[in-house]
Amino acid sequence: DAGVIQSPRHEVTEMGQEVTLRCKPISGHNSLFWYRQTMMRGLELLIYFNNNVPIDDSGMPEDRFSAKMPNASFSTLKIQPSEPRDSAVYFCASSSRDSKETQYFGPGTRLLVL
Amino acid sequence: KQEVTQIPAALSVPEGENLVLNCSFTDSAIYNLQWFRQDPGKGLTSLLLIQSSQREQTSGRLNASLDKSSGRSTLYIAASQPGDSATYLCAVTLFSGGYNKLIFGAGTRLAVHP
Repeated sequence: DAGVIQSPRHEVTEMGQEVTLRCKPISGHNSLFWYRQTMMRGLELLIYFNNNVPIDDSGMPEDRFSAKMPNASFSTLKIQPSEPRDSAVYFCASSSRDSKETQYFGPGTRLLVL
Repeated sequence: KQEVTQIPAALSVPEGENLVLNCSFTDSAIYNLQWFRQDPGKGLTSLLLIQSSQREQTSGRLNASLDKSSGRSTLYIAASQPGDSATYLCAVTLFSGGYNKLIFGAGTRLAVHP
């Protein structure tokens, strides 16, 4: 089992540019979560998908952030336009009822917006 | 609003010492509590999951306890080793909005020196 896969692992971009983060959940998992981790705010849930449908996007900070899950094996988190305050580590996690809802985290994408 | 607090924020101990990490939460209506480990530049790994009806869980040198009524959990690490150096995160699961949502503490950064 390859675990949750995220790409890219590191991203450096300039303010105003579009950033797209990608996630492949563990096969068979029907829940997918996007988190953001910063020193100031810790780990925060951005959005939760179940069976490819967004269930809770109340953590998405503003309209510059959007997330999609076109199928069970792929999700994207997009920031457009990016700002320096978006610099953080973005994690994707997946879970299923069979795993007693333990969430399995990917390695994260470290984003730096200059 | 559920808040999760971890004390201490950082801890440095010599190898071989037994240690306790503390976690407190404000709302006792939790589904379960998990302890995660995070290594620098890596994702989170679930160490122990305690269901709300349980009092403790053990895995090797790790033992986690849960006292729901007082809103506290402790992670006990026996005979600490340099390989235990990492950040330990406590998270409670709430059933909110039709799904199980993880609320994280800020973590305890542990350094075990030889």
